[in-house]
Amino acid sequence: GDSVTQTEGLVTLTKGLPVMLNCTYQTTYSPFLFWYVQHLNEAPKLLLKSSTDNKRTEHQGFYATLHKSSSSFHLQKSSVQLSDSALYFCALSGASSGSWQLIFGSGTQLTVMP
Amino acid sequence: EAAVTQSPRSKVAVTGGKVTLSCHQTNNHDYMYWYRQDTGHGLRLIHYSYVADSTEKGDIPDGYKASRPSQENFSLILELASLSQTAVYFCASSGTISNERLFFGHGTKLSVL
Repeated sequence: GDSVTQTEGLVTLTKGLPVMLNCTYQTTYSPFLFWYVQHLNEAPKLLLKSSTDNKRTEHQGFYATLHKSSSSFHLQKSSVQLSDSALYFCALSGASSGSWQLIFGSGTQLTVMP
Repeated sequence: EAAVTQSPRSKVAVTGGKVTLSCHQTNNHDYMYWYRQDTGHGLRLIHYSYVADSTEKGDIPDGYKASRPSQENFSLILELASLSQTAVYFCASSGTISNERLFFGHGTKLSVL
């Protein structure tokens, strides 16, 4: 089945520094990728989505570019803020166990220090 | 903003007991989902439904049942709760099954003792 890999479980940064959270995927279909963000004790919310190869997508200062050649959709921000501390999930619209569904990576916890 | 409401927000259950988690959406969405969140595993799909009175198995359905009595309501049932089912459970809804954002509830923290 299709899958999503997030290699970093925990990322800790100082405010104002840039960040990149890695996401790679495997699918036999045309990929549709998402980033969801979950702040502490809140519901996950959509941050970004894309299905267009090599086109940068931006929202709330975060950006990501889908690269089909490398099966990647890394999330970046040029200058992190304290409010960016959250759990970030990469997700793929794909097939798993015979059903079509949104397949999530294991998540990356981003902690921004003062 | 679309709304998905889960109840209860937290629950403590005893091993072998029956647990019912409820979800209500006012989005007029056809698709509803139950996910389980464990540290290091992200969100895993338990059951989903695309129409009232019908449910489908997701990736990890064992030990769980689901019920969709109406478009707005979707329940997750643990007939015999086990320690391994301690987790946070999220309900979500969407207008289609793919390529569209999910709207999540705030989650139910279940502790089975």
